[in-house]
Amino acid sequence: GEKVEQHESTLSVREGDSAVINCTYTDTASSYFPWYKQEAGKSLHFVIDIRSNVDRKQSQRLIVLLDKKAKRFSLHITATQPEDSAIYFCAASSNMGYKLTFGTGTSLLVDP
Amino acid sequence: DPKIIQKPKYLVAVTGSEKILICEQYLGHNAMYWYRQSAKKPLEFMFSYSYQKLMDNQTASSRFQPQSSKKNHLDLQITALKPDDSATYFCASSQRDWAYEQYFGPGTRLTVL
Repeated sequence: GEKVEQHESTLSVREGDSAVINCTYTDTASSYFPWYKQEAGKSLHFVIDIRSNVDRKQSQRLIVLLDKKAKRFSLHITATQPEDSAIYFCAASSNMGYKLTFGTGTSLLVDP
Repeated sequence: DPKIIQKPKYLVAVTGSEKILICEQYLGHNAMYWYRQSAKKPLEFMFSYSYQKLMDNQTASSRFQPQSSKKNHLDLQITALKPDDSATYFCASSQRDWAYEQYFGPGTRLTVL
């Protein structure tokens, strides 16, 4: 089955800098890649997603890049703010299953 | 107003007992899911339902049984509880299927003693 590896377990940046979180996946049939944010003690909240028919998507300060050849996708948060501090999960979904497979999460800390 | 309700918020159970975790969504979504989050496995998919039909089951144990009495309900029955079942259980839903934005409920934190 699909396996999603999230490379950075923790990431610390200074406010205003950019943060990049990288994920890789194993199933070439995967076609949908969302990102979720979890603040301390809270539930998960959808952040942004990308589908395999594009290689870049932007929503305000968030950019997602997808490299299908390398089976890699990444979340770029520009002009970081302290409220961006949270755990970010990447995920992948293929047409061969009826589920999302999540990475292990990256704890992002933005220092003011 | 909360759009996905999970009850109870906290649950303490003894080993060997049985519990039911409740999930109701008021988003008009057609697909619902259960996930489990623990220190050992950060976020683990358990079940997916679409139009009240089971689509995928990734739990290795039959002790976990989803129950869908209505389109917007997906409860989770856990029997013969073990300490390893201790985790936060999240219910989620999406308008169509798993390849669309999922909305997560607040979770039920289960502790098995």
